[in-house]
Amino acid sequence: GAVVSQHPSRVICKSGTSVKIECRSLDFQATTMFWYRQFPKQSLMLMATSNEGSKATYEQGVEKDKFLINHASLTLSTLTVTSAHPEDSSFYICSARGGTVLDSPLHFGNGTRLTVT
Amino acid sequence: GNSVTQMEGPVTLSEEAFLTINCTYTATGYPSLFWYVQYPGEGLQLLLKATKADDKGSNKGFEATYRKETTSFHLEKGSVQVSDSAVYFCALTRRGSQGNLIFGKGTKLSVKP
Repeated sequence: GAVVSQHPSRVICKSGTSVKIECRSLDFQATTMFWYRQFPKQSLMLMATSNEGSKATYEQGVEKDKFLINHASLTLSTLTVTSAHPEDSSFYICSARGGTVLDSPLHFGNGTRLTVT
Repeated sequence: GNSVTQMEGPVTLSEEAFLTINCTYTATGYPSLFWYVQYPGEGLQLLLKATKADDKGSNKGFEATYRKETTSFHLEKGSVQVSDSAVYFCALTRRGSQGNLIFGKGTKLSVKP
């Protein structure tokens, strides 16, 4: 089945540094990718939607200058957390959809645990 | 707005017990409903879905029926196995979006032998 690879799975960084998370679709072309954030015991919250070759659409309350999303190809989207702070520590998950039907299944990466010290 | 509420866990059952995980939703229009499962150390996987009222989604012995009158999509399985231990997420697709999902908080299920 469709596979989405997310890297790294865990990252620890110092406050003020930037971290890049990659999301790759391995056996399909991802026309749309979504980035979610999950706090402990909370739902996955959508951060942004990215379409290949265009700017990402951010959800209300998500700082686009802090969470930079690039979807330069049909198989790769990246999320960069800039000038990270301890409150950015969270679990980040990407998902991708290959088809154009809105109800087609989303394929998820395994997530990235970010810890900012 | 659109939202999903599911029962809080953790849920601990013995093998072969009956499972119900409740899920209710609030949505404008007619959303599609999903159950996703996350096994330990893995990403979320689609378990089943239903796209209209009275549809029943089923997979791997799990089933859920889209109940418009009660705005519910409860997950059931008649006889759970240890391998069913995972976190289960109820979700809906938001109409007018690009198909992104709105999730419940997740329910952790532990099945003991």
